[in-house]
Amino acid sequence: QVQLVESGGGLVKPGGSLRLSCAASGFTFSDYYMSWIRQAPGKGLEWVSYISSSSSYTNYADSVKGRFTISRDNAKNSLYLQMNSLRAEDTAVYYCARTPMEYCSGGSCLYYFDYWGQGTLVTVSS
Amino acid sequence: SYELTQPPSVSVSPGQTARITCSGDALPKKYAYWYQQKSGQAPVLVIYEDSKRPSGIPERFSGSSSGTMATLTISGAQVEDEADYYCYSTDSSGNHRGVFGGGTKLTVL
Repeated sequence: QVQLVESGGGLVKPGGSLRLSCAASGFTFSDYYMSWIRQAPGKGLEWVSYISSSSSYTNYADSVKGRFTISRDNAKNSLYLQMNSLRAEDTAVYYCARTPMEYCSGGSCLYYFDYWGQGTLVTVSS
Repeated sequence: SYELTQPPSVSVSPGQTARITCSGDALPKKYAYWYQQKSGQAPVLVIYEDSKRPSGIPERFSGSSSGTMATLTISGAQVEDEADYYCYSTDSSGNHRGVFGGGTKLTVL
């Protein structure tokens, strides 16, 4: 069965860095786009970033663009999120999710998230 | 930026039908997806491509879409369906960003 296990969360000071990891199993990892989604305490879901199956394409929410970098290692079935210049508003549970890409053509993409990990908590505080 | 709008809360008695709406300008051209999130748990996909149900999701969950509004319907809601529900789609601006609705708290009591 599909399993996604996040790790790497913790307490970090504003301006600091953190690297999240997501270990995938139960499916052919290299066949799928993957994403990170976050949820601030008591708030709703926010899509953060996706990466294509071969790492050719990445995309980021405006709120993290230029500070976060998504990457993957298909040989290790692993997804990563490097988070730099962290702010208090980045405090959230971060989920990795398998991302079926319905289509991406003509300037329009449609994708969704069919399996999610249990999440890892990132707290940015002094 | 693109937005999907949901009511903050819906309340029904057990056995009644719950309907949760999601409005967005791009929904006539894009599918809607629905996620259930119970307290302290990760979200679970309950409806994809407007109206399809993943394996393992009870038949009482259904979805529909017309114009700029998508609807999640839970027929004969049960106490265990109490959760937050989020609609989702992608924007049509060419930025390919994922967008979630603000979430609807479903109370069944």
